[in-house]
Amino acid sequence: EAQVTQNPRYLITVTGKKLTVTCSQNMNHEYMSWYRQDPGLGLRQIYYSMNVEVTDKGDVPEGYKVSRKEKRNFPLILESPSPNQTSLYFCASSPRTGGNEQFFGPGTRLTVL
Amino acid sequence: AQSVAQPEDQVNVAEGNPLTVKCTYSVSGNPYLFWYVQYPNRGLQFLLKYITGDNLVKGSYGFEAEFNKSQTSFHLKKPSALVSDSALYFCAVRERNYGGSQGNLIFGKGTKLSVKP
Repeated sequence: EAQVTQNPRYLITVTGKKLTVTCSQNMNHEYMSWYRQDPGLGLRQIYYSMNVEVTDKGDVPEGYKVSRKEKRNFPLILESPSPNQTSLYFCASSPRTGGNEQFFGPGTRLTVL
Repeated sequence: AQSVAQPEDQVNVAEGNPLTVKCTYSVSGNPYLFWYVQYPNRGLQFLLKYITGDNLVKGSYGFEAEFNKSQTSFHLKKPSALVSDSALYFCAVRERNYGGSQGNLIFGKGTKLSVKP
């Protein structure tokens, strides 16, 4: 089954404790992206990747890191999480061309205390 | 700069009545336009998209949307709403990049659709 998977689905952590949210897709997509969803703000892009070893900042990159060492994986790293990073996070992927829709993972709900 | 506006935070409709969820956009040139739906505790699911051609686009679950270039709108519609249509709906736009690379997808803030029996 074609899908985007994220782990963990739920995470409660404390300020400053490094964490990684994994994202993997099995559709051989070039493009991958991370979004955060907050009430009243919709989805905002954190980072994106056009292909392996190619990543770039989205609209809200502060406090996050990403890597794209393999085509299928695009982990999101929070080196020192803070409470303002409490949010619902989505990973998405799509083929490279502009008219293609993005496929979304199920989401990771992160709470930073 | 690209932007998407969904002017209504919430739309309430009675089951069986037609529904419209509004979306307007601002982007240079001709955009790619998308609608996504998010059910509670789920990720976003693709509903439909406008790429080119016929301005009326049909998608999943009986939804359709009309691209109106002069009004820069892409409103989502359904002739007869179901209670199961209750969800959060997002409009999104991507600038058409003729260089071949993919521009980023810009989302609206979402509209909560509530369909009552």
